[in-house]
Amino acid sequence: QQPVQSPQAVILREGEDAVINCSSSKALYSVHWYRQKHGEAPVFLMILLKGGEQKGHDKISASFNEKKQQSSLYLTASQLSYSGTYFCGTPNTGNQFYFGTGTSLTVIP
Amino acid sequence: EPEVTQTPSHQVTQMGQEVILRCVPISNHLYFYWYRQILGQKVEFLVSFYNNEISEKSEIFDDQFSVERPDGSNFTLKIRSTKLEDSAMYFCASTLQGGAEQFFGPGTRLTVL
Repeated sequence: QQPVQSPQAVILREGEDAVINCSSSKALYSVHWYRQKHGEAPVFLMILLKGGEQKGHDKISASFNEKKQQSSLYLTASQLSYSGTYFCGTPNTGNQFYFGTGTSLTVIP
Repeated sequence: EPEVTQTPSHQVTQMGQEVILRCVPISNHLYFYWYRQILGQKVEFLVSFYNNEISEKSEIFDDQFSVERPDGSNFTLKIRSTKLEDSAMYFCASTLQGGAEQFFGPGTRLTVL
């Protein structure tokens, strides 16, 4: 039931763009995105609630395709502060919450 | 800004001992969660709690685990007889409504020797 993310890891130079994908074998009702820096707790980025919805947060945006059971996170003009592990997550119809497998993003100068 | 707090930040215990991890969720939040993260791995759902009872639990959350909200502010996770494989970071989270943004505490690192 855990969403699968790709790629597992990515290294970028400052200013480059990245896309992180999240897909599920089960129906997605909503998708959350979180970022976790090393040794810290996950921090909420955004929720997407409807199929086809897109949202933006500074230079980080995301899309959600309910029919394909997929979501993508777009990071544009990456900054050093974007480094961390990104997790998608989704609730089930009850009150469980499943985090994805995670994508490690490293931005280098 | 309100935040979720957790104590202790690091707990070292001997295998077979009981541990209690404590969390104070954000005061007006209604849903509470415990997660586990083994070093370098994914964040795993353990249990959710609403209206003073468990609403969902994962297969990890076996009879060795229990949760309690003893006094309306604290939210505790008890592990009755710790095993080596219980060594992990444990995060508490809370949210105002189910499915909404979760606010995480800083975590408790549990080391079982």
